[in-house]
Amino acid sequence: AQSVDQPDAHVTLYEGASLELRCSYSYSAAPYLFWYVQYPGQSLQFLLKYITGDAVVKGTKGFEAEFRKSNSSFNLKKSPAHWSDSAKYFCALEGLGGGSAKLIFGEGTKLTVSS
Amino acid sequence: NSKVIQTPRYLVKGQGQKAKMRCIPEKGHPVVFWYQQNKNNEFKFLINFQNQEVLQQIDMTEKRFSAECPSNSPCSLEIQSSEAGDSALYLCASSPWGYYAEQFFGPGTRLTVL
Repeated sequence: AQSVDQPDAHVTLYEGASLELRCSYSYSAAPYLFWYVQYPGQSLQFLLKYITGDAVVKGTKGFEAEFRKSNSSFNLKKSPAHWSDSAKYFCALEGLGGGSAKLIFGEGTKLTVSS
Repeated sequence: NSKVIQTPRYLVKGQGQKAKMRCIPEKGHPVVFWYQQNKNNEFKFLINFQNQEVLQQIDMTEKRFSAECPSNSPCSLEIQSSEAGDSALYLCASSPWGYYAEQFFGPGTRLTVL
């Protein structure tokens, strides 16, 4: 089965702190992983992806993520966090089969950064 | 920023009514996806196209859902007979190719079925 788990529904921290949003996946093949952000009232925006190669991938808005095959994780990181990072973050896995590349999303982590 | 256009932004229908929403993908993106995002932030893939051809679709919810991406016209998603459980945000996304590519999402059509 293919699935994505984001175990933290809410994360709250102060501006200037380091943030790490957790994502784990279940997949039988080499995973293609993505992070998206959804600001209030807006649609999903692409942050970064892991396809192959270096385990640490850098994306937009100063974010990076680390792929760890050993524990099937793809955690999103940023330091320091800024109040404007407050949003909902979704981790996604590209689904296998069927001739398409549909995304399988986690249920998201709502990040609140206090100033 | 994404240039995927979705109309209308809000749609209110009564149970049993048809609901139709449209999507114009980014220029040069031949692959189009439709997802349903419910109030619990659960995403459900519905269907995707490459140019005008269906690549993959779910069981399309008892056949009440239909979609198409005609040449030189917006893509569309239609619910033939809306039910309360269809109330959700319907997201259209496009990508420049099928695999490994990020998808660019439109703002969505929020459907409310009364």
